[in-house]
Amino acid sequence: GENVEQHPSTLSVQEGDSAVIKCTYSDSASNYFPWYKQELGKGPQLIIDIRSNVGEKKDQRIAVTLNKTAKHFSLHITETQPEDSAVYFCAASTGSNDYKLSFGAGTTVTVRA
Amino acid sequence: NAGVMQNPRHLVRRRGQEARLRCSPMKGHSHVYWYRQLPEEGLKFMVYLQKENIIDESGMPKERFSAEFPKEGPSILRIQQVVRGDSAAYFCASSPGRGSYEQYFGPGTRLTVT
Repeated sequence: GENVEQHPSTLSVQEGDSAVIKCTYSDSASNYFPWYKQELGKGPQLIIDIRSNVGEKKDQRIAVTLNKTAKHFSLHITETQPEDSAVYFCAASTGSNDYKLSFGAGTTVTVRA
Repeated sequence: NAGVMQNPRHLVRRRGQEARLRCSPMKGHSHVYWYRQLPEEGLKFMVYLQKENIIDESGMPKERFSAEFPKEGPSILRIQQVVRGDSAAYFCASSPGRGSYEQYFGPGTRLTVT
């Protein structure tokens, strides 16, 4: 099955700086890569996703890049704000008849004011 | 448009009791996924259902766990004879299906087994 690894496990940044989280996946058939933000006591919230036919996608202060050859993808948050503090999860799916997600272990991001 | 709803939000059971977790998908969504999150860990896939059908249950423990998504009503995740190791947060996600990849998660049910 798919194995997704995520780094770093914790990340502390100064407000206004950028944050980068990296993930690798093992199954070359994976073609869908979402990112979720989870705040304490809440469910994961889909913040951005990318499909394998696209190399980069941007939405305001967040962007995701995908390198299919190297089988890794990254989340970039620019101009971080205190409300960006949360746990972020990457995930991968092979699609076809089953869209189940394989998740990374998560990155706890703390934005220092 | 209401999001994914789960209830109860918190559930306490003693060892050996049964736990029933309910999930109502977003309006218009016909596909439901259940995931389990152990403390300090990521989410692990358990089961994928469409109305009246189990599509993939490869992540479900072979014993004591079952899931259903009837034609009418919410999806149910049932855990029989709970043990302390079942303590976790259980999340369901819904999707429109029909080739849609996006999954939207509910707030979760936090199960504590005493």
